[in-house]
Amino acid sequence: EIVMTQSPATLSVSPGERATLSCRASQSVSSNLAWYQQKPGQAPRLLIYGASTRATGIPARFSGSGSGTEFTLTISSLQSEDFAVYYCQQYNNWPPDTFGQGTKLEIK
Amino acid sequence: EVQLVQSGAEVKKPGESLKISCKGSGYSFTSYWIGWVRQMPGKGLEWMGIIYPGDSDTRYSPSFQGQVTISADKSISTAYLQWSSLKASDTAMYYCARLPLTGLTDGYFQHWGQGTLVTVSS
Repeated sequence: EIVMTQSPATLSVSPGERATLSCRASQSVSSNLAWYQQKPGQAPRLLIYGASTRATGIPARFSGSGSGTEFTLTISSLQSEDFAVYYCQQYNNWPPDTFGQGTKLEIK
Repeated sequence: EVQLVQSGAEVKKPGESLKISCKGSGYSFTSYWIGWVRQMPGKGLEWMGIIYPGDSDTRYSPSFQGQVTISADKSISTAYLQWSSLKASDTAMYYCARLPLTGLTDGYFQHWGQGTLVTVSS
């Protein structure tokens, strides 16, 4: 089973600044990588799939990059509604899919 | 509009059985895989398994194989997750979610239910 490792566990950033979240796979997952956002008390929401394609309705300030084992989610200018927990998920060697443990993005 | 509506919160005792549901609407229910994801209190997301309602083909994560049963009733567009004997460690939020395409080519979840909180306590 592929292990997904996200870093950092917690990221403190000021509104208006850029946030960079990382996700590493224990073996190559090609570009079969998705990112989700989860706010307290809510279900996860799909942000990015195929490592870099924004899902429907996702603002352009969210971007994904990477392939193979190293991936990045960048939020270019943080808005108040972006503070949440972010998960990556691989779907290259599946089932089962595997999720990272999450990065909590908090207000600095 | 695609919607996945889950059944309400449950409080059960250890050893009891439980079946929670996820009703799909706004799309062809039999044509898309639906999965289940566990989130224990304060923890991350865990992929449990998926089912294709068209023919009930089901795949489980090794971590959950034998611990739960995933099923579907296509006549009422509803998927299920069930336990025969609950444990305190089954306490969690459970989400159903749908894959984006009709096949198994892309395994990410495009649409999510609102979640069902299961509490198991004596």
